[in-house]
Order: sequence, then C-alpha cells, then structure tokens
Amino acid sequence: GDSVTQMEGPVTLSEEAFLTINCTYTATGYPSLFWYVQYPGEGLQLLLKATKADDKGSNKGFEATYRKETTSFHLEKGSVQVSDSAVYFCALSDTRTTDSWGKLQFGAGTQVVVTP
Amino acid sequence: DVKVTQSSRYLVKRTGEKVFLECVQDMDHENMFWYRQDPGLGLRLIYFSYDVKMKEKGDIPEGYSVSREKKERFSLILESASTSQTSMYLCASSPFRLTSEAFFGQGTRLTVV
Repeated sequence: GDSVTQMEGPVTLSEEAFLTINCTYTATGYPSLFWYVQYPGEGLQLLLKATKADDKGSNKGFEATYRKETTSFHLEKGSVQVSDSAVYFCALSDTRTTDSWGKLQFGAGTQVVVTP
Repeated sequence: DVKVTQSSRYLVKRTGEKVFLECVQDMDHENMFWYRQDPGLGLRLIYFSYDVKMKEKGDIPEGYSVSREKKERFSLILESASTSQTSMYLCASSPFRLTSEAFFGQGTRLTVV
C-alpha cells in the first residue's frame, strides 16, 4: 500500500538557519502530496501542497517540489524563526479512485526546535 | 474560515467505559475522518465517512465504531475503552473532490486509566 517516510527528529536549529526535512513516498499512481504543520497544543494545518509532478508548493517561506523521479517531496526553508518550532508531517492522498478521495497517508512526523 | 470543532480537549476515562468523541464541521464538507496520533507513528486513520450514514474502515478500526447521522457531525465511539486507546484523537473534514486538503480539529487527548 501507499506509504510515506520522513526523517526522524527532533531537528534542532538556531534561528536563521536553513531547514530541510526529507520526505519520500511509495504510491501506485499519481498521488497529491502535502505538508502539514502542528504547533504545540493545536491540530494540524495545511502548510503547502502539490498535485502533480514538478509542481512546487510554497507558503510562509517554506517550499517543497514534487519529484516523481525520486518519489520525494522535501520541505525547505531558508531562514527559520523560533515561531517555526512545531511538528511537520508529510502526507499523500491517493487520487486513483473515488473511494480514495480525501484519505491521507501520513509520515511519522518530524519535530523541529528552533532556538534563539 | 473552515472550522472543525471537537467537543473536548482532554478526557480521562476508566477502562471498560463507553466513550464518545464528538466532531462538528461548519463547511458542509462531504468527507469526515477520525485519526489517531501517537509519537513515532504519525496519524493513522480509524474510520472515515463520505456521506451521511456512510462509513468506511480505515487502517486501525478495531475497538472503535462511528456514527454520522447528520452531515456536519461525526462521532467516534470506543465501545469499551482500554488503556491501549490512550492517545490523541484528531477529527478532519474535506470537500468531496480530488486533491482537496483536509481541515483538522484541535484534537482530543484521551487518557484511559
């Protein structure tokens, strides 16, 4: 079945450092890919998404490019802030069939800690 | 803004109790989901529903059931709570179309003692 693998955390960074969180996936077909973020004590919220190969999703300074050839969707940010401290989840949604719509397969999550 | 509201942020229940977790969304979404979140495991799908009175098992349905009598409300039921069901539970909703994002509630942290 479909699966998502992301790098384990925690990832600890200083403010203004460069952040990369690796995400690879296994899927039959053409999934949509997502990054969700969970701030302390809150639910998940969508950070960015990409729906087809070579699409780049971006939001709040974060970017990720859908790479079909390497089955990857790595998250990057050029200069992190303390407020970026959160857990980041990579996810995919299978778009093959009607009964797959909307179901998300998540990675294990990566905790990011940004220190001043 | 889309709002998904879960009835409780924190719950403590005893082993063997019947537990109801309620979720309401205000955006007329067709799809609703219940996920369980555990450290190191990410989110795992328990049940989902794509229409009123419709339900489908997710990846880990054992020990759970659901109810969707109205479009906006999706309830998760633990028939006889066990300590292994101590976890964070997240409800989500999404429109019934391809590539749509899911909107999440704030979560219910359930502790079974």
